[in-house]
Parts: sequence; structure tokens; C-alpha cells
Amino acid sequence: AQSVAQPEDQVNVAEGNPLTVKCTYSVSGNPYLFWYVQYPNRGLQFLLKYITGDNLVKGSYGFEAEFNKSQTSFHLKKPSALVSDSALYFCAVRDTGRRALTFGSGTRLQVQP
Amino acid sequence: DSGVTQTPKHLITATGQRVTLRCSPRSGDLSVYWYQQSLDQGLQFLIQYYNGEERAKGNILERFSAQQFPDLHSELNLSSLELGDSALYFCASSFGLAGDNEQFFGPGTRLTVL
Repeated sequence: AQSVAQPEDQVNVAEGNPLTVKCTYSVSGNPYLFWYVQYPNRGLQFLLKYITGDNLVKGSYGFEAEFNKSQTSFHLKKPSALVSDSALYFCAVRDTGRRALTFGSGTRLQVQP
Repeated sequence: DSGVTQTPKHLITATGQRVTLRCSPRSGDLSVYWYQQSLDQGLQFLIQYYNGEERAKGNILERFSAQQFPDLHSELNLSSLELGDSALYFCASSFGLAGDNEQFFGPGTRLTVL
């Protein structure tokens, strides 16, 4: 069965500093990996995905993620955090045998001014 | 705005009742997914429809059912409601059948069962 782990319930970072939100996954085949963001009282918004190709994936709002097959990780990163980045971030995975996404438990990112 | 619409935004009902949640996918999207988000269970996949047919099932209770109509809108029916069914229910849509396309989420329906 596929699974996703987001080991940090909350990440705190100062505005202007780099941020990392961690994600590790477990799938039986090749992974399709996604990051979504949820702002209060809103639905999830797609940030980026890894299907194949370069291990560094660039997405919306200056976010990027690095796929590491040996560590089965897909950490979300941003070089310089903004207060407006404060939100709930979800990592999700799909393996080639299934169509549905499995989401992690979410990490709340708090960017302090 | 993702282009996915859900109605109603809020629903308050009593235990034992039945409700219907409605979703209209983005124009051109053929796949519709339903998810349940609760504090204790997180975000869980319930069911997927593609062009009117059920294609994948997740942790959907037998009291819950869904369908996708010829115009591609979808409805999620929840019956014999229990307190534990209180949650945010999201609909998402994508173009294809496979899961490599990103999903676009609606704003959700918040269900409160009293």
C-alpha cells in the first residue's frame, strides 16, 4: 500500500529565510508525487508535481521540491519565505498501479514577520 | 478560483438524516474525486468517477454513495448520518483517468451533524 509521511506538524520560519517542509513516501512502483497548499477555509491548491525527469521540480509561488529516490523523499523548499506563505501544506503520492492520491497528514507552515 | 464548484458551502443536519453534496468539475475535466477532511482522519480519498463510471474506491462507507451524471457533475450522498461524519467534503477534478494530472479542488462543503 502507498503511504506518505510528513514528520512535522508545524514548521516555523522567519520571513526572508529559506524554508523546507519534509515529506517521505512509500509506494510499490514508480511514484507520482504532488504538493498542495490549503489556505484557511479554502480548498487545496496544486503547487507542483514530480512524474519523471529532473529531480528538482519548480512550481507555483517560487516553491520547488527535490525528489530523492534513495531516501524516498520529496521535500518542499523555498529560498525566501513570505508571511503570505503561511498555510497548511500537503504532500501526496500515487503509484502507477492506482489512480487515487494518498495524502500526508499535513504540515502547518508559520512564517513570522 | 479552481473552476470547481461545490454546493452547498455549509450543511447542518441531524443524526440519521440523509444529505446530498453536489460538485461541478472544471470545464473539460472528465474525472471527479471526492475526499473527506476531518481532524482525526486527515484528508481521505473516498471515490473517483471518470466520464460517468466509477473507477476507484477508497475509504468510503457503505452509507455513502456517489454518481456522476452525463453532464459530468457529481453528487455524493450521505445517509444514516452519524456525529462522526461531520467533516469537510471536497470534490476535485482532473482531465484524465490516470493520476498523473494534477487535481483541482473545489472550496468544499462543511457538514455538521448534530
